[in-house]
Amino acid sequence: TQTVSQSDAHVTVFEGDSVELRCNYSYGGSIYLSWYIQHHGHGLQFLLKYYSGNPVVQGVNGFEAEFSKSDSSFHLRKASVHWSDSAVYFCAVRSSNTNKVVFGTGTRLQVLP
Amino acid sequence: GPKVLQIPSHQIIDMGQMVTLNCDPVSNHLYFYWYKQILGQQMEFLVNFYNGKVMEKSKLFKDQFSVERPDGSYFTLKIQPTALEDSAVYFCASSLGRKSGNTLYFGEGSRLIVV
Repeated sequence: TQTVSQSDAHVTVFEGDSVELRCNYSYGGSIYLSWYIQHHGHGLQFLLKYYSGNPVVQGVNGFEAEFSKSDSSFHLRKASVHWSDSAVYFCAVRSSNTNKVVFGTGTRLQVLP
Repeated sequence: GPKVLQIPSHQIIDMGQMVTLNCDPVSNHLYFYWYKQILGQQMEFLVNFYNGKVMEKSKLFKDQFSVERPDGSYFTLKIQPTALEDSAVYFCASSLGRKSGNTLYFGEGSRLIVV
């Protein structure tokens, strides 16, 4: 059974700060890892994904994530956040032999001016 | 970018009645999904659908739930009868398929309130 956990329910930073949102997964086979963003009252929007190759993947709006097999992690980072980055961020995992995409519990990022 | 449309955006319904939530997926997408979200919390997988069939479903996809996409029209989620615990925001998503890594495109959600 594939699982994904996001240990931080809330993260608060100031505009211009760097941020890292944590994601850990549990699955033994080949998997796809993704991050999505959800602004209040809207659906989820895709940010980036990893399957193979360079473990650091770039996404939209300056986001990047790094895959670590040894840590079973796929943390999301941004060097300098903007107030508009305030949203809920979901990590997601899908094994390569299924179409079921499982989401973590989400991390609410609040960016203060 | 590609758009997934959901109708209605909001619906209030009496417990025990039937409700149908409609989803117009991205036009060339092949896989369709429904997720349930309560109070902005976790996105809970309900079901995925491909080639006219349910592929996978979760325990949340109760017997009262059904999905279909007749003749390539709306992808629908029907709940009959509804229960109080069905109150949630239901999100439809679609994807091109496994070769794209199943990148999901979501609609804006249908907020269902069962009273």
